[in-house]
Amino acid sequence: GAGVSQTPSNKVTEKGKYVELRCDPISGHTALYWYRQSLGQGPEFLIYFQGTGAADDSGLPNDRFFAVRPEGSVSTLKIQRTERGDSAVYLCASSLSGTSGNEQFFGPGTRLTVL
Amino acid sequence: GNSVTQMEGPVTLSEEAFLTINCTYTATGYPSLFWYVQYPGEGLQLLLKATKADDKGSNKGFEATYRKETTSFHLEKGSVQVSDSAVYFCALRPPGGNQFYFGTGTSLTVIP
Repeated sequence: GAGVSQTPSNKVTEKGKYVELRCDPISGHTALYWYRQSLGQGPEFLIYFQGTGAADDSGLPNDRFFAVRPEGSVSTLKIQRTERGDSAVYLCASSLSGTSGNEQFFGPGTRLTVL
Repeated sequence: GNSVTQMEGPVTLSEEAFLTINCTYTATGYPSLFWYVQYPGEGLQLLLKATKADDKGSNKGFEATYRKETTSFHLEKGSVQVSDSAVYFCALRPPGGNQFYFGTGTSLTVIP
């Protein structure tokens, strides 16, 4: 079946602009995660959804970052007033549920470049 | 807190050489441990996992054993192939937790 998909694959924007990044999880997966991967680093957790609600948003770096998942499937990560330091690859993952042993399936990522 | 320390790369090996990529972790309790692989141009894929102490995860000739006494989960393969060239990430998931904590990744290049 289809894996996790993310759009766009690349996004270039100017400092101060607003961006939205989209994630389509695997059908039937109730848990969805956003990570940020900076160059030469491993992915860093941003936020976790169980269904429609954000169960853990402790990784969001500041209030410029926000994510939604209104129908419990597709999720959108929103970044306001982008800064050059926001440049990174944003990864989305989904799993069957939030249970600890479940594998997370990752999407290909969106590469965000803030000029 | 929770963290993963991973052997720094890049690592370059000849085909059929033995591979070890070291990974140690810090966590409370008994986390689940994972190795993910990222092939060029592709997303992260689960390579193997272990959910309790002394478990051995294995896949595609790769193995890693969950060592509680040394808080380690080293990745090994007896004979690497060119197609194993990728970036390898060690990760942990705390007990009862949802997020993953990743190491910084180790780039492996296998030359013919």
